[in-house]
Amino acid sequence: DTEVTQTPKHLVMGMTNKKSLKCEQHMGHRAMYWYKQKAKKPPELMFVYSYEKLSINESVPSRFSPECPNSSLLNLHLHALQPEDSALYLCASSQDSVGTQYFGPGTRLLVL
Amino acid sequence: GEDVEQSLFLSVREGDSSVINCTYTDSSSTYLYWYKQEPGAGLQLLTYIFSNMDMKQDQRLTVLLNKKDKHLSLRIADTQTGDSAIYFCAEFHNQGGKLIFGQGTELSVKP
Repeated sequence: DTEVTQTPKHLVMGMTNKKSLKCEQHMGHRAMYWYKQKAKKPPELMFVYSYEKLSINESVPSRFSPECPNSSLLNLHLHALQPEDSALYLCASSQDSVGTQYFGPGTRLLVL
Repeated sequence: GEDVEQSLFLSVREGDSSVINCTYTDSSSTYLYWYKQEPGAGLQLLTYIFSNMDMKQDQRLTVLLNKKDKHLSLRIADTQTGDSAIYFCAEFHNQGGKLIFGQGTELSVKP
């Protein structure tokens, strides 16, 4: 089983809202990732967690706040987003920080 | 640099073979990947090749790796309309610990 799940599938939020995206995997992977993807562009790495510690932060604005409560879960907390943050947010996981990455279906976010 | 390059579009007829090409930059990359993305979906891992291999075949998919030219290709035999998608080539940069993606090739399969 190589399944990564993400909720919600779609999210519409205003610029003053606070919301969270969730990601879960039960493959025993110890690295988890958040990517942002604009239409017909490649995914852009945002954050990497390895063994539940933040190992890479690609200079992402502080209105995006990641959290890794345990080895199976990864959250992305959103606050005061801008319309240009509208995108597909993809979660991925891998056995370790150099392993093959498996992606979830994504959350499509629209910021109004 | 960190560029992975792919042509943006490819159009083929159903039943033909498709060949999607990619060039990469990091000669120390250990794994090279092909991901498929259908409209509105996430990235599906199609196949990958280890850098000490020249070729890998998996059913209708054939991956060829030319390390000297840093060139990777994905051949899809007997292309079907369900193969219409964007295909991303990616290399893992050991030094930065990141997966570097190409721009993606949009494959259109005409009946």
